[in-house]
Formats: sequence, C-alpha cells, structure tokens
Amino acid sequence: QLQLQESGPGLVKPSETLSLTCTVSGGSISSSSYYWGWIRQPPGKGLEWIGSIYYSGSTYYNPSLKSRVTISVDTSKNQFSLKLSSVTAADTAVYYCARRRDYDALWDVWGQGTTVTVSS
Amino acid sequence: QSVLTQPPSVSGAPGQRVTISCTGSSSNIGAGYDVHWYQQLPGTAPKLLIYGNSNRPSGVPDRFSGSKSGTSASLAITGLQAEDEADYYCQSYDSSLSGSSVFGGGTKLTVL
Repeated sequence: QLQLQESGPGLVKPSETLSLTCTVSGGSISSSSYYWGWIRQPPGKGLEWIGSIYYSGSTYYNPSLKSRVTISVDTSKNQFSLKLSSVTAADTAVYYCARRRDYDALWDVWGQGTTVTVSS
Repeated sequence: QSVLTQPPSVSGAPGQRVTISCTGSSSNIGAGYDVHWYQQLPGTAPKLLIYGNSNRPSGVPDRFSGSKSGTSASLAITGLQAEDEADYYCQSYDSSLSGSSVFGGGTKLTVL
C-alpha cells in the first residue's frame, strides 16, 4: 500500500526558506501515471495547491506562489521536496504531500500532513 | 478567493438529505474536466469521497453521491449521520493555468 510521509522543521523564521521532504513508500515515484505534489491548508482555511512535479522533473506551480516555490524530485531516494522562500506568517499552514493521477488530476493518496509555523 | 465556489456551510438533521454545490467556469468544470470530492474530519488529512464526478471508492457508503452538469457539480448525502459532520472540498483541473489543480473553498457540514 502506497504511503507518503512529510518531514521537515515545524518552525521557520520570517524571511527564511521553508523546506519539506516527502518520502514515498510502498511504490515507485518513477511511475509514468502520476504526478507528485504539495497542498497546504492555513489554520481554519481551505486547501491550496502549491505545485506538482513529474518523476522526470517537469514542474507546475500555483501562479500565486511561483516566484517563491521550488519542487524537486530524487528518484534514487523515492522522495520529492518543497522549498518556499521568503516566508511570512501567511505561510503558516499544514503542508500535505500527495500523489496526483495523470489522466483525471485526482489526488488519490495523501500524507498525514505536517504543521509549519512561521514565527520569530 | 477559490477558483471553485462552494457554500461555506450546510446543515441537516439526522436522516435528512443535503447537497453541496461546486461552481466553476469554462476553464475547469465547464471544459469537461472531472470533479472530485474529499471529506476532511477535524485534524486529519482529506479523504477521497467521490472521484470522476460520480464514482465512489471502495468503502465509501452509497449514501454519498456526486453529479456534474455544465459548469457545476454537486455532492449529495442522504440519510445523514452524526459521523458525516466534516468539511467537504471539491477539486478539478483548470486549463487556464498549466498543470493547475483547483479546489473549492470548502463546505462545513453540521449535523443538527
């Protein structure tokens, strides 16, 4: 059974870079049928797509975050990562990594989520 | 402001039927892209409820159903139960922004 697990610091200072990694187990990140991505949820608010990556390295970002986001993949480790630069309190959220099906854009497998707080 | 529009809240008594709407545009739902629905219980990750507009994954009760027409989609829940109290999100793809996934703002279902 495929599982995704987020890891990274739970506290980041304003203006610094948020870095998270998602480890995929029970399946290969190199599957041609899926994209991998990050979705976040600020406290008390809805879900926001951050970006997606294909195993080949092709990336797609939410235009509202594009200037600050970098998503990368390491197929040898079966991991993909998120970097969000110049963070502010508005970036405080639960960050989920998830798998997206290619043909219908369904996010079918989710990690449990990790809370990141931006504060000095 | 979310690309897909949902009512912030709906409510119903146990046993009743409720519906949650999800309104998009010609670049997402209206373009023919599938709509998916997720249920989120407090403090947990979203769980897939309906995929491909109207399909239920294994294990989801048939009290939950989805439909799509034009630029909108709906989630219907019949025979409301206390355990259905949760947040519900619709999601689709948007062709105006390459590779974009778009979500509704979420609807809080309260079982009275």
